[in-house]
Formats: sequence, structure tokens, C-alpha cells
Amino acid sequence: DADVTQTPRNRITKTGKRIMLECSQTKGHDRMYWYRQDPGLGLRLIYYSFDVKDINKGEISDGYSVSRQAQAKFSLSLESAIPNQTALYFCATQLAESTDTQYFGPGTRLTVL
Amino acid sequence: AQSVTQLGSHVSVSEGALVLLRCNYSSSVPPYLFWYVQYPNQGLQLLLKYTTGATLVKGINGFEAEFKKSETSFHLTKPSAHMSDAAEYFCAVTQYNQGGKLIFGQGTELSVKP
Repeated sequence: DADVTQTPRNRITKTGKRIMLECSQTKGHDRMYWYRQDPGLGLRLIYYSFDVKDINKGEISDGYSVSRQAQAKFSLSLESAIPNQTALYFCATQLAESTDTQYFGPGTRLTVL
Repeated sequence: AQSVTQLGSHVSVSEGALVLLRCNYSSSVPPYLFWYVQYPNQGLQLLLKYTTGATLVKGINGFEAEFKKSETSFHLTKPSAHMSDAAEYFCAVTQYNQGGKLIFGQGTELSVKP
């Protein structure tokens, strides 16, 4: 089984809808991250969390919110989806240090119509 | 502020030829540098990383990269390309005081011709 899983893998929604993307990990890592990938822009950090009580904004947090329900679960919400949030979203985990490898989930492809 | 520039959004090589993917970074303090690979419809996978010590680092699948401080570069190479190397490659940078936040380059798509 995969160490980092994301659900759903694909989602099409309409403008104004609330949507939640979920990430679960079995690696036992403290740190978790949400990125979005856009063609030609690479990956950009949305939010990150070092533990359940430590959540931080990343480079592009506007329009997004997160919840760290447990060490293993980190959810990303779009309160009112808009078309320019159409992207590929990745969750990643990291053990504890900046030099540690980040392990990525398979991604969620979100389309906002 | 940190940044990463990958020269060339698309690189095409013949099978068996040298692979060279370029990455330049800016960082106010010693950087930690990473190369990730993304195969179609998959997440990113670490190829190699430089944190401290030896400036030539070897990774998986025959790839290696050299940290050159004077050139602010961390180019990725492989002596002989294989068809299975076709993927998108991302260079990323962070610093000790950035809490693990990675700054990614825009990516380079590698095509391998038979």
C-alpha cells in the first residue's frame, strides 16, 4: 500500500462550491505539506504543518484552508472554488528536518468549471 | 528570497546520449538542493539531494548532480539516457531556517528518442 494517499484522485466541480481534498500517510512523519502544480510554474506551497497544533501559510494560501485532524491526516479545503484553482494538488510528508526527503502523494487533479 | 531557475522547459535527447538538465538557484545562506522526478500521472520522487559535504552527489537510476557554489548551480546529469528516463524533472531549494519549505523550479520535461 502507498505511504501517502490522496482522495479523490480526480474531481470536477463548479464555481462557488466547497470542496475538500484529503491526505493520509502511514510514514509516521510529523511534517505535512500541500502544494499545487501548474504547467510552467512548478509546484508552489499552499500550507504546511509541523504537528497537529502547528499550521502555517505558504506562498499561495489565499482561497484555501487546511485542517490537521491527526498526525496522519491533513486536509485542504477550497471554501468557494474558482476556475483559477484548477490545478494538480499534491500532499507531501517529511520526517522532521529540512534536509529530510519529502514524500509525495499521487496527486489530485481538480477542475473548477 | 530564494529562487530556482531551470533552463529549458523541454529537453530532447537520443537514447544512449548524455542527459544534462540545468538548475541555477539563489539563496542568501548555504542551500539545501534537491532534484525530483515526476513520471506521468504520478507524484514526485526524490532523485538526489545535496545538504552538506561532498559536492558531487549520486542518486537513483544513474543520475548525479554537482553543487557549484561559485556558479550557484546544481545541474543534473546522466551519462547515457534510457527510454524510461522520459519524465518531468524539478529542481528545488530550501535553507536551514525555512522549515522545510521547498522552492521549486518550473520543471524540465525530458523526452528520449529511440
